[in-house]
Amino acid sequence: EAGVAQSPRYKIIEKRQSVAFWCNPISGHATLYWYQQILGQGPKLLIQFQNNGVVDDSQLPKDRFSAERLKGVDSTLKIQPAKLEDSAVYLCASSRSTTSNSPLHFGNGTRLTVT
Amino acid sequence: GESVGLHLPTLSVQEGDNSIINCAYSNSASDYFIWYKQESGKGPQFIIDIRSNMDKRQGQRVTVLLNKTVKHLSLQIAATQPGDSAVYFCAELMDSSYKLIFGSGTRLLVRP
Repeated sequence: EAGVAQSPRYKIIEKRQSVAFWCNPISGHATLYWYQQILGQGPKLLIQFQNNGVVDDSQLPKDRFSAERLKGVDSTLKIQPAKLEDSAVYLCASSRSTTSNSPLHFGNGTRLTVT
Repeated sequence: GESVGLHLPTLSVQEGDNSIINCAYSNSASDYFIWYKQESGKGPQFIIDIRSNMDKRQGQRVTVLLNKTVKHLSLQIAATQPGDSAVYFCAELMDSSYKLIFGSGTRLLVRP
């Protein structure tokens, strides 16, 4: 099966600019996650979708970050305006459902550099 | 690609030896634990999982041990190969939330 697809692979922007990332999960996977991974750390959950509804966005900085999953398939994550501390890899993951029998499958991420 | 973990604890082993990577988890209510492998420039890759009602699970060349008393998880890799070089993360979750929480990671270097 095809894996989780993310684009772009890399992005460099200046602070205060905006940026958007795109994710196409594995076909049939109802649950989609966005994680932020700062260099040297483990991934940190930003937001979790079940189909097109938000399950958990408690760690999402809502003053600047937004995400949507229209039609319950693809998802976009946006940052506006970006700060220097947003430099990180943004990982998208998907799973069949929200049970522990459904491991998360990750994409290769988008590396964001904010200058 | 750029390394995912420049300042992580590092375990260096000789090719062919066994590796043991340790992880202390934080939540005694966690039900499910996963080990992920992350190579440079890639996303985390699922290796093996274990539920809280088990203390040991074996896969191909890998074994996960769970000690709930001390909230400790370990990953054992038999006959370590150069392709095993990567950063390894443990992750925990509670069934009630299905929020996967990652640990800080360990870099495994395999010497030829």
